Amino acid sequence: QSALTQPASVSGSPGQSITISCTGTSSDVGGYDYVSWYQQHPDKAPKVMIYDVNHRPSGISDRFSGSKSGNTASLTISGLQPEDEADYYCSSYTGRNTVAFGGGTKLTVL
Amino acid sequence: EVQLLESGGRLEQPGGSLRLYCAASGFTFNNYAMNWVRQAAGKGLEWLSSINGGRGDTTHYADSVKDRFIISRDNSRNTLYLQMNSLRGEDTALYYCAKGPHSDSLSWFDLWGQGTLVTVSS
Repeated sequence: QSALTQPASVSGSPGQSITISCTGTSSDVGGYDYVSWYQQHPDKAPKVMIYDVNHRPSGISDRFSGSKSGNTASLTISGLQPEDEADYYCSSYTGRNTVAFGGGTKLTVL
Repeated sequence: EVQLLESGGRLEQPGGSLRLYCAASGFTFNNYAMNWVRQAAGKGLEWLSSINGGRGDTTHYADSVKDRFIISRDNSRNTLYLQMNSLRGEDTALYYCAKGPHSDSLSWFDLWGQGTLVTVSS
């Protein structure tokens, strides 16, 4: 059982926006601004899309944005494109010198 | 080119040991914390362990591998290691090494390797 809870799947049509939630506790997501999001295409390594809740690494499209409210973090992808279809994982520092991942969300672009 | 290249994965029997390697290139390896993350087939990501940059004198472990796995680094060889002991079937997974953005952070991972496959079975 993953420490952080994500929906198993979400879907959207090209051009639409979707949001993926990541729910933890006050000991992880709610307690630190160290939430990150990773995109993983089939048989590929994960790639960071958002770090420290709402920061985008260099080269990541501004269609990707992150936010947090209480114990729940969110990843929003606007203007969905076919290449956004992938698995997405959230991650958070836990305060016990460990890192927790969510169970992953499969995004389908219809 | 900035990259991480894992190796050392193979088929091993339950109770056995394996050593994984992660060769870093294209960046100053000594300056960054490094991590191991695994992914069982069809499953999610699981963080396993981290080691700080520099002397590598601070290590952290997930409960699932504490007292069985040991992370270490050799900055002169730009290489990260994971010594895996007392292997179990549930250790079967693709093992990634992942770079942290700073010397001592456990916040996020900005570079990942392609993984090395470990299979534990009799």
